[in-house]
Amino acid sequence: EPEVTQTPSHQVTQMGQEVILRCVPISNHLYFYWYRQILGQKVEFLVSFYNNEISEKSEIFDDQFSVERPDGSNFTLKIRSTKLEDSAMYFCASRDDRGGNTEAFFGQGTRLTVV
Amino acid sequence: GNSVTQMEGPVTLSEEAFLTINCTYTATGYPSLFWYVQYPGEGLQLLLKATKADDKGSNKGFEATYRKETTSFHLEKGSVQVSDSAVYFCALNPKTSYDKVIFGPGTSLSVIP
Repeated sequence: EPEVTQTPSHQVTQMGQEVILRCVPISNHLYFYWYRQILGQKVEFLVSFYNNEISEKSEIFDDQFSVERPDGSNFTLKIRSTKLEDSAMYFCASRDDRGGNTEAFFGQGTRLTVV
Repeated sequence: GNSVTQMEGPVTLSEEAFLTINCTYTATGYPSLFWYVQYPGEGLQLLLKATKADDKGSNKGFEATYRKETTSFHLEKGSVQVSDSAVYFCALNPKTSYDKVIFGPGTSLSVIP
């Protein structure tokens, strides 16, 4: 069964460092998303991406964040200068809207710890 | 706007008890509705879904019916097991082109033997 793959599963970084979280969406999907879940809290939307550009972003997704689909298969989230409060689980998701399919498939997440 | 409300947890039940987790939504149009489950230390898994009014989603003994008249999608299971202990998220997709999945706050369920 196709699945969304995220790497690494856990990343520890020092405050102020740049991190790149990687995702491989399901191959024929068209819409891509990043979500964040601070430990024990709700799942928050960060950004959606379609046709090689951001289609929507939340207030959380400030200038420190960027997304990219560099090679047609990977979908990355970059945090330029990490803060302690960026510590969270980050989920990538993808969706194929063809035929009215609205189910988003989520990866297993990357746990980011900023120290 | 679009939003999801679900009952606050944590919920603690004895094994074999009946489970209901309430979920109501606000949406323009006719969204698709989902329940996702997150087991301790793991990611999000789709538990069940319903894409139109009166649809019933079911999986692993869990059920939820899309009720348009009450804008609800309550999760039920007749007999819970210890292995059902997890956080359950109700969610919707507004079904517009690239709209995001919107999650409720989650309900933590603990099942004790």
